[in-house]
Amino acid sequence: GDSVTQMEGPVTLSEEAFLTINCTYTATGYPSLFWYVQYPGEGLQLLLKATKADDKGSNKGFEATYRKETTSFHLEKGSVQVSDSAVYFCALSDRDNAGKSTFGDGTTLTVKP
Amino acid sequence: DAGITQSPRHKVTETGTPVTLRCHQTENHRYMYWYRQDPGHGLRLIHYSYGVKDTDKGEVSDGYSVSRSKTEDFLLTLESATSSQTSVYFCAISDRNTEAFFGQGTRLTVV
Repeated sequence: GDSVTQMEGPVTLSEEAFLTINCTYTATGYPSLFWYVQYPGEGLQLLLKATKADDKGSNKGFEATYRKETTSFHLEKGSVQVSDSAVYFCALSDRDNAGKSTFGDGTTLTVKP
Repeated sequence: DAGITQSPRHKVTETGTPVTLRCHQTENHRYMYWYRQDPGHGLRLIHYSYGVKDTDKGEVSDGYSVSRSKTEDFLLTLESATSSQTSVYFCAISDRNTEAFFGQGTRLTVV
């Protein structure tokens, strides 16, 4: 079955530090890949996505590249801000699996001033 | 924002009582999902639907049932609530191979 493994947290960084959150996946078909963000007390919202190999998704300074050869979709940001503190989820959606999304366990990021 | 509404947003109920949570969408998306979110477990899929009256189990379906009589509504029922079902419940919608859109969540406490 499909699965997503992401870097365990929590992650604590100082403002303006570089962020990487690792994500690898296993899928039976050819999935689309996503990063979602969850702020306290809210539901998940899409941060960025990539639908085919070598695509780069980007939004709000965050980036992730779909690497089929390493089955990875690592999230990066060059300079984090306090407002980036949230829980980040890596996910895939497999068109061969009824469109269901499979999520990683989430990584909690805290950015300190 | 995607048109997806969960009700109620908060509920406290007693052990052994039935509880129904409602998810309503205005996006005409085919797929609807119910997840629970617990510390240390991330998001776990309870049930999902791929069309009217078409539903299937997720990884943590025991003690839960669902119904989808209309495209826009997906109901989650806890047949006899237990303390282990205290959680935050999220509904999500999607179309085939697209991102999921999430509701704001329902915080359920079983006492």
